[in-house]
Amino acid sequence: ETGVTQSPTHLIKTRGQQVTLRCSSQSGHNTVSWYQQALGQGPQFIFQYYREEENGRGNFPPRFSGLQFPNYSSELNVNALELDDSALYLCASSSDGTDTQYFGPGTRLTVL
Amino acid sequence: GESVGLHLPTLSVQEGDNSIINCAYSNSASDYFIWYKQESGKGPQFIIDIRSNMDKRQGQRVTVLLNKTVKHLSLQIAATQPGDSAVYFCAESGFRDSWGKLQFGAGTQVVVTP
Repeated sequence: ETGVTQSPTHLIKTRGQQVTLRCSSQSGHNTVSWYQQALGQGPQFIFQYYREEENGRGNFPPRFSGLQFPNYSSELNVNALELDDSALYLCASSSDGTDTQYFGPGTRLTVL
Repeated sequence: GESVGLHLPTLSVQEGDNSIINCAYSNSASDYFIWYKQESGKGPQFIIDIRSNMDKRQGQRVTVLLNKTVKHLSLQIAATQPGDSAVYFCAESGFRDSWGKLQFGAGTQVVVTP
């Protein structure tokens, strides 16, 4: 176990709704990265948060947004859900000055 | 590497044999490379990593080889066990220039047969 936790485990939403996913980083880690993993594919980088600021973003539209809190936990928010947003959403934590990212178990989002 | 869709390459290995999983990476400026193992329904699990100033690194039953000339990475698993059955991903990132963004390959499904 990595010590990275995510909630909820599974979620079902309908098109147009909004969703919030949560991640608690491993103790001592101040950086959280979010990834989207479609079925049968590798994870795709959404964005990274470092000390409560967005620190880089992948090729995802603005309706994907996030937050990081003073305790370094993080939220991923997705507005106006589309069918293609159905995926496993992974967060990974790392510590300042290191590259190794440790992943949580993911949240499986299904959009109907 | 680029995602290739739903049909993952599959490596079938007999229990006790050695496995070699290959990965071609895309960015010659990448400095850091990492292998993850992902079991069904779980998040990726760190296996081993390597920086571009090395060409080989060993862990417990695993070895990663890096060939920067041809942009190729491989993971060797010694004495493969049933618990090694999973999807294996390689990932790359640039040195301090991509804010830790990991670029993942498509993955290889490893099936260990008795």
